[in-house]
Amino acid sequence: DAGITQSPRHKVTETGTPVTLRCHQTENHRYMYWYRQDPGHGLRLIHYSYGVKDTDKGEVSDGYSVSRSKTEDFLLTLESATSSQTSVYFCAISESSANQPQHFGDGTRLSIL
Amino acid sequence: DQQVKQNSPSLSVQEGRISILNCDYTNSMFDYFLWYKKYPAEGPTFLISISSIKDKNEDGRFTVFLNKSAKHLSLHIVPSQPGDSAVYFCAASVNTDKLIFGTGTRLQVFP
Repeated sequence: DAGITQSPRHKVTETGTPVTLRCHQTENHRYMYWYRQDPGHGLRLIHYSYGVKDTDKGEVSDGYSVSRSKTEDFLLTLESATSSQTSVYFCAISESSANQPQHFGDGTRLSIL
Repeated sequence: DQQVKQNSPSLSVQEGRISILNCDYTNSMFDYFLWYKKYPAEGPTFLISISSIKDKNEDGRFTVFLNKSAKHLSLHIVPSQPGDSAVYFCAASVNTDKLIFGTGTRLQVFP
């Protein structure tokens, strides 16, 4: 298994609070990604990073920000959580960009009440 | 607009038989396709991929077929085993790192 650790694994919080999810990898891969998984939607890309301090938006980036200050860590922040952001969040990594599979962490289940 | 579609939410197959999971796409620019398997409370696990320059790729019990003219992708599992019971996602990309996923098909393999 790829060395990907997501923390926390579960979190319950209230609407309007800030939330930060962490993804840590031990593979030294350049690319890191954040997805959310919702019923009827599969996995949708939120943000991704192609290097330290290099990030870009994905399909569903509104309400989310990311930071990558070290190769091994990719943080996802919900500045002011809303109930629509209740979801399961997955981090993924890949060694290069084109035509390489991404490998996923085990997810963070986030509930916003 | 769903660019990658898995129209069968579920599939039930007897152990030892073939499982065929299907995926359709609309973007003719997709040139890399993947299948992932997902167990509950775990992340998706990469199974097999295929480049658009090929029409078939095999890895053990898993074979992926690509029909570019029909914009159709399928995953064959032979023989199916109870441990194959999971949700299967197809995904596609246009020579980039941005994968577009289908909504998944839940496969159940029964004895």
